[in-house]
Amino acid sequence: GQQLNQSPQSMFIQEGEDVSMNCTSSSIFNTWLWYKQEPGEGPVLLIALYKAGELTSNGRLTAQFGITRKDSFLNISASIPSDVGIYFCAGNDYKLSFGAGTTVTVRA
Amino acid sequence: NAGVTQTPKFRVLKTGQSMTLLCAQDMNHEYMYWYRQDPGMGLRLIHYSVGEGTTAKGEVPDGYNVSRLKKQNFLLGLESAAPSQTSVYFCASSTSGNEQFFGPGTRLTVL
Repeated sequence: GQQLNQSPQSMFIQEGEDVSMNCTSSSIFNTWLWYKQEPGEGPVLLIALYKAGELTSNGRLTAQFGITRKDSFLNISASIPSDVGIYFCAGNDYKLSFGAGTTVTVRA
Repeated sequence: NAGVTQTPKFRVLKTGQSMTLLCAQDMNHEYMYWYRQDPGMGLRLIHYSVGEGTTAKGEVPDGYNVSRLKKQNFLLGLESAAPSQTSVYFCASSTSGNEQFFGPGTRLTVL
């Protein structure tokens, strides 16, 4: 599969903060997807992006499909404790390739 | 709608044993997939199917076989389990190959 570089690998959030994560690839994708996975469960689709430059929101989540088609970012606004989990980006040319994930935990 | 279900949820095998993981979806999706998830490596595609009776290899197919005899079911088989196959296995389905919906996973340990 294609190599996706997802960063940061991990982050700590404080309630109320805005946080961002991104995903880059050396190849062009036709679709970018963002998933969230909680412990012991399967990934759940958050946002799907189909067009270069597209900006899509789902509640407090906003994601963008980069204009080069080689990157995407996800922003979480006004973090709450239930935002913890692992966030995965995925790019699709004819199969999905996944990033290694960004682990979001609450700052003590 | 149950969505995507997987059985079993947990399994422990000895090296050399065989087993079959079952995935079922009730969304009438054409496409089905099997992934494995290992720490720090994201999800890697093992095999997939674009319709009943079809299967294809993914990124890491060695040591696994699959069958899609019915549209709603996708089976993953391990003929001779190895410790390197200790992982969490996820099944997913989709209508178009884009938005994939995942099951809850099967946690497999091979001793």
